[in-house]
This record gives sequence, C-alpha cells and structure tokens, in this order.
Amino acid sequence: DAGITQSPRHKVTETGTPVTLRCHQTENHRYMYWYRQDPGHGLRLIHYSYGVKDTDKGEVSDGYSVSRSKTEDFLLTLESATSSQTSVYFCAISPGQFLRGETQYFGPGTRLLVL
Amino acid sequence: KQEVTQIPAALSVPEGENLVLNCSFTDSAIYNLQWFRQDPGKGLTSLLLIQSSQREQTSGRLNASLDKSSGRSTLYIAASQPGDSATYLCAVSRGSSNTGKLIFGQGTTLQVKP
Repeated sequence: DAGITQSPRHKVTETGTPVTLRCHQTENHRYMYWYRQDPGHGLRLIHYSYGVKDTDKGEVSDGYSVSRSKTEDFLLTLESATSSQTSVYFCAISPGQFLRGETQYFGPGTRLLVL
Repeated sequence: KQEVTQIPAALSVPEGENLVLNCSFTDSAIYNLQWFRQDPGKGLTSLLLIQSSQREQTSGRLNASLDKSSGRSTLYIAASQPGDSATYLCAVSRGSSNTGKLIFGQGTTLQVKP
C-alpha cells in the first residue's frame, strides 16, 4: 500500500469552528488531492496540489482552503465548519506520470461530523 | 459538464457467476478511465486504468473495456467470489488535462453470496 496517512481519522466538531485535516505521504509523490464522499454524490474533488505551494480548486472548493508547505503534507482547512460539510474526506496522491497511466492512491479517510 | 453514471446502483449475485458493471459518461474527451474498488469504511484501490487510446485492460478475473465514442465502459468480473463484495467506482479524467483530476460515478455496490 502507498504510504498515506490521514489525521484525525474521526472528528466531531461544532458549527462555526475551524477544522484542519492532515494528509501525510511517504512516497514523495508530486500530486496530492482532497475529495469528499457523500451518499448520492460519490467522490468530488475539493482541492488539489501539483507541487509545494502549488494548489488549485476542484469542483466543490467553497468553504475550504488548502496548504502545502512540504512535499509530504497537504492540509485541508474548513474555515468555519457547517453541517453541510459533514462527510468522509479522502486524500489521494499520485506521482503524476499520467502518460504512463499512473493512477491515484487513496488514504483511509477521515469521518467528520459537524453538529 | 462531464457526468459519470453507474448502473446498477446495487447488485447481488450468487458465487461463481460472471457479471458486468456499467459506466457511462457524457463527454468523450477524456484522458483515461479508471475502475476503483472500495471496501466498507476504507479508501479506494485502483483496479484497472484504460488510456483513451486503448480499448480494454485485463487483470486476473477482471476485464475493463472502453468505448469512447459511445461514452461507455464495462467492468467484467469472471467467476465471482464472496471476496469480490465491495463498491466499484468508475472515474474519468477531467478533459484532456494532465493534472489527474477525476470525476467519479456514484458506484455499484456488489454482493456476492456464497
């Protein structure tokens, strides 16, 4: 398995509080992604990074920010958590050799409940 | 806007049966298509990746095909086993970009009964 860890694995928080989720990799892969998974919506891309300090938005980025100061860490911050952000959050990494058919490798997920 | 649809949403079969999972997408301008497996409470594991120039890929009892012109892919599982029980997700690349951004279907949950 690719070396990806997510922390925390479970979190309960209250509406209006900031929350930061961490994704850590030991594979030295260039690309990192944050997805959320919700019933009826499948997985949707929140933000992704194509290098240190290089990030871009995905399809559901409102209310989220990210930072990548080191190759191995990609942080997802919910500025002010809302109940609609209750979800399972997955981090994924990829070496980025897409022409060679490189895929993405997923972490175990973080279950977030916003009360 | 690219949309990915997987039918059926759930499928239950007896052990040993051959089965086909379907995936359709609305925009044929894709870079590649992938099939993933997700076990309950776990992350996703890549099964097969088909480049846009390819027609199919095989791995063991799994065979995935791609017909870009019709916007369809199928995942064929031969001689199904209880261990194949999981949710199977199809994902296509977003356009012709090389950022690896994926658009996922909602998945087909497969139960293989002993």
